[in-house]
Amino acid sequence: DTGVSQDPRHKITKRGQNVTFRCDPISEHNRLYWYRQTLGQGPEFLTYFQNEAQLEKSRLLSDRFSAERPKGSFSTLEIQRTEQGDSAMYLCASSKSESSNNEQFFGPGTRLTVL
Amino acid sequence: AQKVTQAQTEISVVEKEDVTLDCVYETRDTTYYLFWYKQPPSGELVFLIRRNSFDEQNEISGRYSWNFQKSTSSFNFTITASQVVDSAVYFCAIHTDKLIFGTGTRLQVFP
Repeated sequence: DTGVSQDPRHKITKRGQNVTFRCDPISEHNRLYWYRQTLGQGPEFLTYFQNEAQLEKSRLLSDRFSAERPKGSFSTLEIQRTEQGDSAMYLCASSKSESSNNEQFFGPGTRLTVL
Repeated sequence: AQKVTQAQTEISVVEKEDVTLDCVYETRDTTYYLFWYKQPPSGELVFLIRRNSFDEQNEISGRYSWNFQKSTSSFNFTITASQVVDSAVYFCAIHTDKLIFGTGTRLQVFP
């Protein structure tokens, strides 16, 4: 399978704990995006990378959130001191180039539940 | 700033009916792309169609068709002869450097 993969698919954690998610994009894609989707809402943009450079961060990305893409391949999204409001589906997507006509391919998501 | 509005929160139809999902967008950019994605119960977003801002020609692809009207900033999506497998949440989105999604329309197709 050469699609976007995310790990884990589900994560349950207690409030205050740190969690880290991983996204592996399609191999030749140089752009990688993170989105968050809460129940009943559309995905909301969090941040994106062009190769290893983080080019934009949403206001939604508080100081407790950090994303990296150290070698321009896979990416990690860490949430520190989780809060119940962080419970959501975290989606990763990748695209081939910076041209806006290229569709983003989405992974299956990581569903986070903060107790 | 970009914004996408999907006023229909939920639509129910009986199989074989045609259904149109509405989408209205806002942007100050002159170059942009519009998308429709489908999210079945499994949760994965599935790309359906894409249209760029310079091409208002409406097309049909299988059972899917779309009506892009720049004058009214609308990008409506029609499924012809709906099937039970079409039941999902459908998202309209606008793309400049990132995707901005609407809140989605839940479509339920009953047999």
